[in-house]
Amino acid sequence: GAVVSQHPSWVICKSGTSVKIECRSLDFQATTMFWYRQFPKQSLMLMATSNEGSKATYEQGVEKDKFLINHASLTLSTLTVTSAHPEDSSFYICSARDRWTSDEQFFGPGTRLTVL
Amino acid sequence: SQELEQSPQSLIVQEGKNLTINCTSSKTLYGLYWYKQKYGEGLIFLMMLQKGGEEKSHEKITAKLDEKKQQSSLHITASQPSHAGIYLCGADKVAGGGADGLTFGKGTHLIIQP
Repeated sequence: GAVVSQHPSWVICKSGTSVKIECRSLDFQATTMFWYRQFPKQSLMLMATSNEGSKATYEQGVEKDKFLINHASLTLSTLTVTSAHPEDSSFYICSARDRWTSDEQFFGPGTRLTVL
Repeated sequence: SQELEQSPQSLIVQEGKNLTINCTSSKTLYGLYWYKQKYGEGLIFLMMLQKGGEEKSHEKITAKLDEKKQQSSLHITASQPSHAGIYLCGADKVAGGGADGLTFGKGTHLIIQP
């Protein structure tokens, strides 16, 4: 099946710094990628939809200026958590749909962010 | 907005026994997905259902979508330790939702006792 990778798999940073998380589709092209956040023992919550070559679409309540999304190519989307604070500590998971067969969303392994 | 209710929230089953997890939607389901997650890891795709009355099986796991397309069930036969994990149902937010993310239920935590 299709593979989605994320980098880094975990990151620890100081409060106030920015962290970039990469999401790559390894063997398929994805015009659309999605970013989810998952708090401990909670379900996944969609944060935003990343569209290749255009602006991301954010879900209600998600701060655009805090969670910057860039989808520069058909295989890469990045999420930058700017001026991170401890409440941003979470598990961030991306997913991607194959541009030709969009029935299934392929999920990355996730990135655990801890902000001290 | 669409909400997905999963039941039970957690389930402890003796190895070899059968079990069923349910997912109920407040609205018509256009695409219903079942995923498995080990805590702190990514999601493993299990099955996708789209048509009312549809049923799919893979190995010992069977998923069904009811005729009204508002409820789905995931049934595991003769459970094994490898089945342990968190099962999540997810749904397309809109019809033909190729360009939209998924709404997820809160998950069912399955523990298999030897």
